[in-house]
Amino acid sequence: EDQVTQSPEALRLQEGESSSLNCSYTVSGLRGLFWYRQDPGKGPEFLFTLYSAGEEKEKERLKATLTKKESFLHITAPKPEDSATYLCAVRDSWGKLQFGAGTQVVVTP
Amino acid sequence: NAGVTQTPKFRVLKTGQSMTLLCAQDMNHEYMYWYRQDPGMGLRLIHYSVGEGTTAKGEVPDGYNVSRLKKQNFLLGLESAAPSQTSVYFCASSARDALNSPLHFGNGTRLTVT
Repeated sequence: EDQVTQSPEALRLQEGESSSLNCSYTVSGLRGLFWYRQDPGKGPEFLFTLYSAGEEKEKERLKATLTKKESFLHITAPKPEDSATYLCAVRDSWGKLQFGAGTQVVVTP
Repeated sequence: NAGVTQTPKFRVLKTGQSMTLLCAQDMNHEYMYWYRQDPGMGLRLIHYSVGEGTTAKGEVPDGYNVSRLKKQNFLLGLESAAPSQTSVYFCASSARDALNSPLHFGNGTRLTVT
């Protein structure tokens, strides 16, 4: 059965303190791994899509990487505005999209 | 750019009552989806549609019905609400190439069933 597990569940960072979020997955035939950002009271907002092991994508202070079993979202020198819940989702060879439960990130000044 | 708009934003129902959630998108997307989000769980797919006039069941369809009479609208109905349906509901849409296209989400409807 396909599974998507995100860790940690919550992360508290000081402004400027870099860290990484993990998304591990077991899926039959990865067709894409998606990262989303979700602010309180809002819907998820698309960040990145990764398709193959070794691929990397960057956007401002965020960098997503992909291996055969997991993806990392690196937050470099975070600012308070990076506080959000980060969701990952994987699409399998059947087209099914499965979401992880998310990592809640709080960045304090 | 409105994107995906959901109405209402909040609703409280009593057990057994019915209601309809409305989703509208202005991006001319073919695919539309309804998800529910519960604490500690990932978004779970309720129903989806690959085009006007079509609907299909997702992971957790029981207790819900949907209709897609117009390409831009996707309605989610609860015929007889139950406390287990207390959740935040999100509508999303994606372009025709759904496998490679990200989902665009609305801002959700928070539903409480007492």
